[in-house]
Amino acid sequence: DVKVTQSSRYLVKRTGEKVFLECVQDMDHENMFWYRQDPGLGLRLIYFSYDVKMKEKGDIPEGYSVSREKKERFSLILESASTNQTSMYLCASRIGNGNQPQHFGDGTRLSIL
Amino acid sequence: SQQGEEDPQALSIQEGENATMNCSYKTSINNLQWYRQNSGRGLVHLILIRSNEREKHSGRLRVTLDTSKKSSSLLITASRAADTASYFCATRGEGAQKLVFGQGTRLTINP
Repeated sequence: DVKVTQSSRYLVKRTGEKVFLECVQDMDHENMFWYRQDPGLGLRLIYFSYDVKMKEKGDIPEGYSVSREKKERFSLILESASTNQTSMYLCASRIGNGNQPQHFGDGTRLSIL
Repeated sequence: SQQGEEDPQALSIQEGENATMNCSYKTSINNLQWYRQNSGRGLVHLILIRSNEREKHSGRLRVTLDTSKKSSSLLITASRAADTASYFCATRGEGAQKLVFGQGTRLTINP
């Protein structure tokens, strides 16, 4: 089974801090994704990557950046955390083309105080 | 936007009954996927149906797709308490790399 591991289940940070969320997958998937999930808004795509060192903006990239130095690891960076970035963050990976399912981690619930 | 929209937003039924959830979308798709999310956890993939398919089954799950109406339905037969979760549809547009998720249906199975 594919395993997508997010480094923290719960995280509390302060406004203005630089925050790193880490995601690792163990199945050699080319594609990796970061979403945030908010009540009433569903899942929204922040960034995705289809190869090492490659990245594409999703629907809500403002205030975020990403890093993919190794195939198995995709990091989401909040450059200067703000309270409106309090959310559930979900990482996913997928092999091949878009006719394959995405595999999700358990999420990181991030609170910015 | 081709965001999937699930209907109903919430559904509560008795254990053993069938549960039906619907998803509508706006533009042409390559495939449509259904996912389940237990409270506080990540999403789990259930079924992927391609645009040239009309129906797929997996265990107690049955998914239909009507591209002329731009809609899909997920049927869970003989529901169990463990089926309590949120269910999301997600669409991939033609030529697109990303999925667009709906806001989900919250399903509660009462013992």
